[in-house]
Amino acid sequence: GAVVSQHPSRVICKSGTSVKIECRSLDFQATTMFWYRQFPKQSLMLMATSNEGSKATYEQGVEKDKFLINHASLTLSTLTVTSAHPEDSSFYICSAAPGVIGGYSYNEQFFGPGTRLTVL
Amino acid sequence: ELKVEQNPLFLSMQEGKNYTIYCNYSTTSDRLYWYRQDPGKSLESLFVLLSNGAVKQEGRLMASLDTKARLSTLHITAAVHDLSATYFCAVDDYTGTASKLTFGTGTRLQVTL
Repeated sequence: GAVVSQHPSRVICKSGTSVKIECRSLDFQATTMFWYRQFPKQSLMLMATSNEGSKATYEQGVEKDKFLINHASLTLSTLTVTSAHPEDSSFYICSAAPGVIGGYSYNEQFFGPGTRLTVL
Repeated sequence: ELKVEQNPLFLSMQEGKNYTIYCNYSTTSDRLYWYRQDPGKSLESLFVLLSNGAVKQEGRLMASLDTKARLSTLHITAAVHDLSATYFCAVDDYTGTASKLTFGTGTRLQVTL
């Protein structure tokens, strides 16, 4: 159980184009989804937290207009990198948290397999 | 701002040896996670530690949490090559309504024959 998928797993795009990454919880409903970015040989940095049906909360220093997050349903969140530039090349990882189930708070996050973005 | 530090950042050890990775954090939290990451891959959950004094073991790995000292350890017993990976601890800055993970710097473990 608790499987999270991401699509695509790898994308190469030209500078100036927009790229959409999907994150899906396959066997549970995720009240909250998180987006992280990881540069080579570095740790994961939280970019934003999204709750279904409401606006995402972005971390300090993350441009809201550049990284558009939509959490349209309890199983799907999307991250769109708008007008991508080479410095946006990174490994993007989403995670999903089930929230409260049967009165018990599940705060553990389940991670997707990641999307490697390369901007030429 | 919550800070999470791991040491060492890089560890090269021989098969069969024991070692401990340390994770220190700067604020009160009683929820800490350990993950493993292989090159080019996402995170694999290893341990979930949810209270002071929690100790969990799986195979050659054992994790513990001391919330008073704000310290977690990941102990490796009789290392084998398959354990080579990067290990991250992550602290949950849980507010009661929202959960947010801050990751440590990571420890790259290389187990040599």
